[in-house]
Amino acid sequence: IAGITQAPTSQILAAGRRMTLRCTQDMRHNAMYWYRQDLGLGLRLIHYSNTAGTTGKGEVPDGYSVSRANTDDFPLTLASAVPSQTSVYFCASSPSGGRADTQYFGPGTRLTVL
Amino acid sequence: GQNIDQPTEMTATEGAIVQINCTYQTSGFNGLFWYQQHAGEAPTFLSYNVLDGLEEKGRFSSFLSRSKGYSYLLLKELQMKDSASYLCAVMDSNYQLIWGAGTKLIIKP
Repeated sequence: IAGITQAPTSQILAAGRRMTLRCTQDMRHNAMYWYRQDLGLGLRLIHYSNTAGTTGKGEVPDGYSVSRANTDDFPLTLASAVPSQTSVYFCASSPSGGRADTQYFGPGTRLTVL
Repeated sequence: GQNIDQPTEMTATEGAIVQINCTYQTSGFNGLFWYQQHAGEAPTFLSYNVLDGLEEKGRFSSFLSRSKGYSYLLLKELQMKDSASYLCAVMDSNYQLIWGAGTKLIIKP
């Protein structure tokens, strides 16, 4: 593994289903982030984690949950998917949170909720 | 509220120079980032400015004026591979990135 990986690459999901998007990094970065990207809008922060064991809410956290059991993994869960959660989801990491560090992005997951 | 403005789309000719502007109003300022994003791919880091002035990195330069809430990305000697979206993002007082919607740059031969 080099950098950040995300799985799945794409997914079509029925409304009401539960879904977990996976994100793993091998750079030993302390901070990780989940964004969604929608046409015509900037990237919007869903949740973040400045270090293993801690998480925080971003701009659009409703309907999503995260956990950070270890440094490398930061899964994003949609408990009961709705069509408005159709989007491209990017995971990112940076060496530290709470500092002006560059964020590095995974390849994204394209999610369609029908 | 927090706001980042940049043009939706720009067109330029191969070999020419293009300037992509970004204006911002945010809660605090801990630097401004520019990212490049090719269609269907992840954003990749281009530049970071925290002090006023011009930062040059090869064919790409980025300028910041904190008093005006303004930045631009300058791309010289445009190549077809520069066709992409360019994202402006400001790090606010909570060290969270606030993103513009991006500028789609179309390069014509």
